[in-house]
Amino acid sequence: TQLLEQSPQFLSIQEGENLTVYCNSSSVFSSLQWYRQEPGEGPVLLVTVVTGGEVKKLKRLTFQFGDARKDSSLHITAAQPGDTGLYLCAGANGGSQGNLIFGKGTKLSVKP
Amino acid sequence: NAGVTQTPKFRILKIGQSMTLQCTQDMNHNYMYWYRQDPGMGLKLIYYSVGAGITDKGEVPNGYNVSRSTTEDFPLRLELAAPSQTSVYFCASSYRGAGKSNQPQHFGDGTRLSIL
Repeated sequence: TQLLEQSPQFLSIQEGENLTVYCNSSSVFSSLQWYRQEPGEGPVLLVTVVTGGEVKKLKRLTFQFGDARKDSSLHITAAQPGDTGLYLCAGANGGSQGNLIFGKGTKLSVKP
Repeated sequence: NAGVTQTPKFRILKIGQSMTLQCTQDMNHNYMYWYRQDPGMGLKLIYYSVGAGITDKGEVPNGYNVSRSTTEDFPLRLELAAPSQTSVYFCASSYRGAGKSNQPQHFGDGTRLSIL
């Protein structure tokens, strides 16, 4: 069974601080997606990384896919209260159906 | 700009009752999914469908049934509600499977279900 471990599970920081969220597995994934979920809503895709070592930037968010495609990280620079939410990583197993395996999520709270 | 629509948003059931959670999408997506989200546990796949008339089990299918008679609709049925089925249920859709296309899944806003 493929598993994705996310850490930390909870993170509470002050506005302006930097943070990194990790997503690790012993399995190789064909691609990895990051979603953000706000209270009372469904997850919304932030980014998809496909190539080992790939780095993608989305304003103050930087996503990296590990060289071996087993892990990924999300770094937020100068966090703002609007970044508050649940961050989920999801790996695509590359099988014929291509379903996603979700991590348990990192709940981020950014205080003003 | 509806996307994926789930109804109802909230529901309380008694043990042993049955109900259907509705999900419809207007994006002409082939793939549809049902997940449950428990606190601190991420999203677990219950059932999925790759097109009308085709459904398959996910990681946690016991106690649930699905059907896919049209491209747009993918209802989830609970036959004999149990306290362990208290959860938030999300329906999602995508044009193709993520593993083959790297395409995103589009989620509804969820149904919060309590079994008492």
